Amino acid sequence: DQQVKQNSPSLSVQEGRISILNCDYTNSMFDYFLWYKKYPAEGPTFLISISSIKDKNEDGRFTVFLNKSAKHLSLHIVPSQPGDSAVYFCAASAFETNAGKSTFGDGTTLTVKP
Amino acid sequence: KAGVTQTPRYLIKTRGQQVTLSCSPISGHRSVSWYQQTPGQGLQFLFEYFSETQRNKGNFPGRFSGRQFSNSRSEMNVSTLELGDSALYLCASSPTGAGGSPLHFGNGTRLTVT
Repeated sequence: DQQVKQNSPSLSVQEGRISILNCDYTNSMFDYFLWYKKYPAEGPTFLISISSIKDKNEDGRFTVFLNKSAKHLSLHIVPSQPGDSAVYFCAASAFETNAGKSTFGDGTTLTVKP
Repeated sequence: KAGVTQTPRYLIKTRGQQVTLSCSPISGHRSVSWYQQTPGQGLQFLFEYFSETQRNKGNFPGRFSGRQFSNSRSEMNVSTLELGDSALYLCASSPTGAGGSPLHFGNGTRLTVT
């Protein structure tokens, strides 16, 4: 049973437009949700996070929205830049089990075209 | 601060052999986690160590084991290698591994089993 799902394996957008990456989860025990970005031949790097007590968190061009009732979160990138082209992973963790044991989605490959 | 360092970057082994992967966390980080990434798959949690104790374990067979040393450095061992063990193995560290803490990943060890 995959507890964190990213249903879109890939997304292509034009430079300057909005990129929206989606993530669904099934485990109500998750307290924190994080997004990571991964370039080829590198490890994932942390992008932005949100706790379950919030519904929005913003950091520059990146905004994460959480809809707890729908068990859905999304990452918005505005405006998208070619350097944003990477694989984006959604991850979730529960306070009790610690961040070290995070559950990741399969990733969405974002391509931003100049 | 130096980032998370994983060695070696690449490994080629034969079925039935065993392998040891090494991870040096960011200085001061006491939580070290290991993840497996196979093509098209998200990151699958292997185990987490904190202060030399295994705190969490994923759903992997006993062939996969690890340990953490007093300086927080960690090693992961896979015995009796199978073709399906070919993957990118990622190590991540965080100060305490507390829920919601971002994970800091190394660039991984690419293991190929022939």
